[in-house]
Amino acid sequence: DAGVTQSPTHLIKTRGQQVTLRCSPKSGHDTVSWYQQALGQGPQFIFQYYEEEERQRGNFPDRFSGHQFPNYSSELNVNALLLGDSALYLCASSGGTEAFFGQGTRLTVV
Amino acid sequence: QKEVEQDPGPLSVPEGAIVSLNCTYSNSAFQYFMWYRQYSRKGPELLMYTYSSGNKEDGRFTAQVDKSSKYISLFIRDSQPSDSATYLCAMSEIGGGFKTIFGAGTRLFVKA
Repeated sequence: DAGVTQSPTHLIKTRGQQVTLRCSPKSGHDTVSWYQQALGQGPQFIFQYYEEEERQRGNFPDRFSGHQFPNYSSELNVNALLLGDSALYLCASSGGTEAFFGQGTRLTVV
Repeated sequence: QKEVEQDPGPLSVPEGAIVSLNCTYSNSAFQYFMWYRQYSRKGPELLMYTYSSGNKEDGRFTAQVDKSSKYISLFIRDSQPSDSATYLCAMSEIGGGFKTIFGAGTRLFVKA
């Protein structure tokens, strides 16, 4: 049983560009949440998707958007990248009470 | 004031020691409390999941929640070098992966 998988593992983007990160949830899970983890900090909640709708959102600007597909996989899109967007982006899936994380995508903005 | 406060450490202990990790929080609506372990450049791994106050034990790990004091703890018995990692406390008002607030994480080093 595959756990939560994220792609790509690493990527480097230039300031002002746009990026799309992908997440496949754990088998049987229908809820996907995205987090941003800056170096030396705990993860910060970006938003959560359930039944293809954004259900909750944290304190992130509209540059951060997402999507969930009928197979429960999800994408995180970030527009107009800033240097401060450099971080580890984590996807977590849940199907009940507990949430499980993927290995993350490390985004570097130069 | 942050919603969740966690001492970032680092905390260095000898192998076999009992480790105590702690977090305090300010939001009395938190009902679900988690501890995650994160190795360098990896995603967080769920260690313990607790609902409301009380204790929960799993092998060498014990989680304690005191809602009256807004204080949670994780104890690691017979610590091993492989326990060296960052430990993140996390909590949410609703279970099921709803918006979860994390502490900054405590870096733990267990020396052989």
